[in-house]
Amino acid sequence: DAGVTQSPTHLIKTRGQQVTLRCSPISGHKSVSWYQQVLGQGPQFIFQYYEKEERGRGNFPDRFSARQFPNYSSELNVNALLLGDSALYLCASSPGTAQETQYFGPGTRLLVL
Amino acid sequence: EDQVTQSPEALRLQEGESSSLNCSYTVSGLRGLFWYRQDPGKGPEFLFTLYSAGEEKEKERLKATLTKKESFLHITAPKPEDSATYLCAVQANAGGTSYGKLTFGQGTILTVHP
Repeated sequence: DAGVTQSPTHLIKTRGQQVTLRCSPISGHKSVSWYQQVLGQGPQFIFQYYEKEERGRGNFPDRFSARQFPNYSSELNVNALLLGDSALYLCASSPGTAQETQYFGPGTRLLVL
Repeated sequence: EDQVTQSPEALRLQEGESSSLNCSYTVSGLRGLFWYRQDPGKGPEFLFTLYSAGEEKEKERLKATLTKKESFLHITAPKPEDSATYLCAVQANAGGTSYGKLTFGQGTILTVHP
């Protein structure tokens, strides 16, 4: 069975630009969560979506937004990129939202110059 | 606010030298504690979920245990392929804006020398 997939794998942008990252969950999973992982740190929670509705939001500015589509895939958008947005962006999926293991994709490495 | 602290930050072992990694946590009602393994440049790979104090789970050379304040990941007779960063995360009971959120520690970098 295919795991969580993310695209693109790598991305280079300049300050002020906008970026869209994509995620496809494991088949049958309805919940997608996004995390940001800066080098040397653990992942930090950005958003969780379940059945196309936002169910949780972490401590990130409004420049970060996301959505979930009817097929449960998801996009993370970041506007007005800053150097500090350079990180590994991880997507995780789970069957629902309650007491369930989240399975992570390979991540998208974003470099902002 | 939920907090997770992992120790040590880095651990170097000889092949076959058993040891333990620690994960201390504070959370407003624990829903689950999760252990992941992460190789450089890759996404975290799920290892274990623990739900209540006293629970233990094993997989090959790894054994995870849970108390009310901390979790341990015991590694028995490690091999070089066990080298990775080991992440611990907690999930609090549902409610508010933290629903489903995992709070991670900074990880322990394990290096096993042959």
